[in-house]
Order: sequence, then C-alpha cells, then structure tokens
Amino acid sequence: KAGVTQTPRYLIKTRGQQVTLSCSPISGHRSVSWYQQTPGQGLQFLFEYFSETQRNKGNFPGRFSGRQFSNSRSEMNVSTLELGDSALYLCASRVGVNEKLFFGSGTQLSVL
Amino acid sequence: ELKVEQNPLFLSMQEGKNYTIYCNYSTTSDRLYWYRQDPGKSLESLFVLLSNGAVKQEGRLMASLDTKARLSTLHITAAVHDLSATYFCAVGMEYGNKLVFGAGTILRVKS
Repeated sequence: KAGVTQTPRYLIKTRGQQVTLSCSPISGHRSVSWYQQTPGQGLQFLFEYFSETQRNKGNFPGRFSGRQFSNSRSEMNVSTLELGDSALYLCASRVGVNEKLFFGSGTQLSVL
Repeated sequence: ELKVEQNPLFLSMQEGKNYTIYCNYSTTSDRLYWYRQDPGKSLESLFVLLSNGAVKQEGRLMASLDTKARLSTLHITAAVHDLSATYFCAVGMEYGNKLVFGAGTILRVKS
C-alpha cells in the first residue's frame, strides 16, 4: 500500500512569488491535513480537509490556502511568499480520528 | 490555548541505559500521539494513546497516558544506537487531525 505522496520534494522560490504543493493521501483515507515545520516554530497545524471541505484551520495568514479534490488529493497554495515561509511542509492522512496519522516525506520550500 | 511541553529537549544516553521522556499538556484531551523523526526525514507514527491509563509497547519503547495529570511518558529500555532520533509528542485538539506538537526531544544514544 503506497504511503502519503507529496510533490515536489524540493522547491526554491523568490519573495513575492506563489507556490502550490500537492499531496496524495493513502488510498481510502479521506482526511488530509497540512503542517509546517521550521526550526524556530516547530510543527504547526495549517489546515485539514475532509470530503472536500475544510474542517479545521490553524493560525496562519490568508496567504495560506488549500483545497481537496473528489479523489481526496489535496493542494496547498501560498501566495506572496515571504522569507519566513521557508519550511518543510508536511501532509498527513488517516482513515479515522482515532487512528494513526500518517505523514508524507514533505516538501522543502526555500524562499530567497 | 493548548500548550504541549516536552522534557528534556536533548538527551544523551549510553547504550543499555533506561530513560524517560515526559510530555505535559495544558488542557483536557484524550488523544496523545508519539512520533519519531530521523534527520531529513518525515514523521513516523509510534503510538496512539486514547484513554486514561493507556499503555502501549513496541520493542524498547513504551508509552503511557495519564489524562488526569495531563501527562504522557515515553520510556526507553536498554537504549541502542538505532533509537537516536527526535521524538515528538502531540495532543489531539477538537475533532479531526488538528494536533499540537511538543518541541521535540533530540535523543542521542552513544556506544
């Protein structure tokens, strides 16, 4: 069974640009969530989608947005990139709320 | 606002020794998770603890949850070098996948 797949693995962007990250959850998992990991702030929750609806949202500015498609694949978008957006962005999925949350390998975003 | 505190943040152990990582959290929750992260890698799920008094063990690692004390522990028995990694605890918020993570404990096992 394939794990959570994230693309691309690495991205380099410049300030002011926008970026879209992609996540394919484990087959059968309808819940997808996104996290940001930085050395300074640690792991922080961005948002969660279930059946194409945003179910939870973390404390991030509106420049961070996401969506989920009918096949459960998810994308997150960051507009007007800032240097502080440089981070590892992790996607996670699971089948039920009391089950393990499986993480993908992440997308390492560098903003120059 | 839920806060999750881990201690210690850095732990250097000798092989064969035992030690415990502590995870305290500030508000009521009945979902506690432990993860392992190797350098440059993603998070690997270790344990999911869902009730007061829950105890789970796998290999040299054992996790427990005391919801009344708002405390979870990850006990390492007879440490080996392969256990060197960063360990995170995370507490489930509300309903769904919103987890609040601790800062992580960097574990180094020396031979």
